[in-house]
Amino acid sequence: KQEVTQIPAALSVPEGENLVLNCSFTDSAIYNLQWFRQDPGKGLTSLLLIQSSQREQTSGRLNASLDKSSGRSTLYIAASQPGDSATYLCAVSKRAGNKLTFGGGTRVLVKP
Amino acid sequence: SAVISQKPSRDICQRGTSLTIQCQVDSQVTMMFWYRQQPGQSLTLIATANQGSEATYESGFVIDKFPISRPNLTFSTLTVSNMSPEDSSIYLCSVVPGGVGEQFFGPGTRLTVL
Repeated sequence: KQEVTQIPAALSVPEGENLVLNCSFTDSAIYNLQWFRQDPGKGLTSLLLIQSSQREQTSGRLNASLDKSSGRSTLYIAASQPGDSATYLCAVSKRAGNKLTFGGGTRVLVKP
Repeated sequence: SAVISQKPSRDICQRGTSLTIQCQVDSQVTMMFWYRQQPGQSLTLIATANQGSEATYESGFVIDKFPISRPNLTFSTLTVSNMSPEDSSIYLCSVVPGGVGEQFFGPGTRLTVL
């Protein structure tokens, strides 16, 4: 059974510092990995999708890497801003278009 | 991408009653997923809803408690039956447009059971 872990569970940084969020999964036979952002009481916003054949994906200040063989992904957020404060979730899928298994999330606070 | 709406956005219900949550997507999709997010927790899949067939439930979730309908390729409902305070959660539906790529989520239904 796939298990997804995110460390740390919470993170507080001053504005301008780079954020590094970690995600690990126990079964390397994944189809893709997706990073989400969730604001309090809200739904999920998709940030980045990495296919299992890819090593990284970038979107603006966000960069996500994937090491499938070791079961790890890292989300980097450059030059953090107070608006980046949210919970970040990673999730993996075993097949195309299929269900996601989620990590517990990392709650991020960026202090002005 | 996909635009997904859910109704209601929130509700407060009495124990023993049932609530039906609607999920509407702006494009046709084969599968729709229903997740639960308990307070302070991450998301757990309840079931996968396919049009024209019975929903597939995950371990720990049963049809009598969470009946699902999928009458067409753009709509689904999830009913939370005989509710107890432990059912207080955010319920979210999601889809993968075209069957590949990103999974998109609705805004969620925040349910409080008294």
